[in-house]
Amino acid sequence: GAVVSQHPSWVICKSGTSVKIECRSLDFQATTMFWYRQFPKQSLMLMATSNEGSKATYEQGVEKDKFLINHASLTLSTLTVTSAHPEDSSFYICSVKPRDRGSDTQYFGPGTRLTVL
Amino acid sequence: LAKTTQPISMDSYEGQEVNITCSHNNIATNDYITWYQQFPSQGPRFIIQGYKTKVTNEVASLFIPADRKSSTLSLPRVSLSDTAVYYCLVISYNTDKLIFGTGTRLQVFP
Repeated sequence: GAVVSQHPSWVICKSGTSVKIECRSLDFQATTMFWYRQFPKQSLMLMATSNEGSKATYEQGVEKDKFLINHASLTLSTLTVTSAHPEDSSFYICSVKPRDRGSDTQYFGPGTRLTVL
Repeated sequence: LAKTTQPISMDSYEGQEVNITCSHNNIATNDYITWYQQFPSQGPRFIIQGYKTKVTNEVASLFIPADRKSSTLSLPRVSLSDTAVYYCLVISYNTDKLIFGTGTRLQVFP
């Protein structure tokens, strides 16, 4: 497998503030990184795809100005939730697709629980 | 992207074999099948992946019939720690997008 970390694992913030979530691939370089959101008792919903050296591609209905994604390097992607509101409270999970590997398997981070008060 | 259908929930007892079937009638030639496991408040964990026939690893087996319109994840001798949600995904070789369905919530009882 592959090791993916996320930081922080949980965060509580006040409404109107911005929160940055980091996703790191620890033992490989990631060509592509993905961000998902999961509400309680629901499935994962893809928010955006980030490719090395290019802008993120957002899924329909996801506001790119609210959810800023930066694929800073081959091992780091960040998701910034700007001006967070209670409805943004959710479980945010990243996944990465290793570069130069024989498999197309994606590996997921442990997730970040965001609670907006 | 092929849509998948799987049971919402299943119950089992420790030590039993559990088979979770997933339907993917619109699977394309270049698509392959992947299963993930997710525990509460954790990211999904890759279990197994296959294209056709049978694939086996240390945790599960994946059975895919010749028409590939369905697949069955087999978990041998489940334990309480196998209680989780299991997602079946059909992935196209030409795209990286993973579209998660509802998953199957497996509850293992002692």
